[in-house]
Amino acid sequence: KQEVTQIPAALSVPEGENLVLNCSFTDSAIYNLQWFRQDPGKGLTSLLLIQSSQREQTSGRLNASLDKSSGRSTLYIAASQPGDSATYLCAVPWGGGATNKLIFGTGTLLAVQP
Amino acid sequence: NAGVTQTPKFQVLKTGQSMTLQCAQDMNHNSMYWYRQDPGMGLRLIYYSASEGTTDKGEVPNGYNVSRLNKREFSLRLESAAPSQTSVYFCASSAEGGLNYEQYFGPGTRLTVT
Repeated sequence: KQEVTQIPAALSVPEGENLVLNCSFTDSAIYNLQWFRQDPGKGLTSLLLIQSSQREQTSGRLNASLDKSSGRSTLYIAASQPGDSATYLCAVPWGGGATNKLIFGTGTLLAVQP
Repeated sequence: NAGVTQTPKFQVLKTGQSMTLQCAQDMNHNSMYWYRQDPGMGLRLIYYSASEGTTDKGEVPNGYNVSRLNKREFSLRLESAAPSQTSVYFCASSAEGGLNYEQYFGPGTRLTVT
C-alpha cells in the first residue's frame, strides 16, 4: 500500500531564508505528484503538479523536484516571506485505474518569522 | 468563477442524526471527490465520481453515501452520524479522470457530532 511521509512535521525559519520541504513515498510507480498549500481553516490550494516524466516544475519562487527511483520529492521555496506561512502537503495517486484518487502526506507546518 | 463551493460551512449534529453535505463546481470538471481531514491522519478519500452517473468507494467509505446529481454537483450523506465522523470534509474536482490533472478543493465543511 502506498504511504506518503513528510518530514519535518513543523519548520520555523526567518524571513528571507531559502528552504526545502521533503516528501517521501513508498511505491515508486506513480503517475504524478502534487504539492498543495493549506492556510489555517481553509481548503487546499494546488501549487505544482509534476508528471512522472518530469524531474522539476517551477512556479515563481517555488520549485518542485521528483526522483521516482528514490521515492522522493522536494519543494524548494526561495526567499521565504511571512505570507508563505501555511501547511504544505504532497499527494500521489493510488489504486490504478483512470481516476486521480490521491493519497496525502500529513503535511509540514511552515512558519516564516518576520 | 466560484470554483468549488461547499455548504454548509459548519454543522453540529447529535449522534444518530442524518445530514447531507453539498458540493458544486462550475469548472465543467468530470471528476469529483470527497475527503475527510483529521488531525494526525491527513486527508483520506471517502468516495469519488469519475464522471456523471458513476461513483466508487475510496479509502474510508463506511458510514457514508454519495450522489452525483449531475455534472456539477456531488453530495455526501451521513445516514446516522457518529462521533467518529467529527471531521473537516473537503470536496474536490479535476478536469478528467486521467492521471495528470490537478485537483481543486472547496473551503471545507467543519462537522461536529456530539
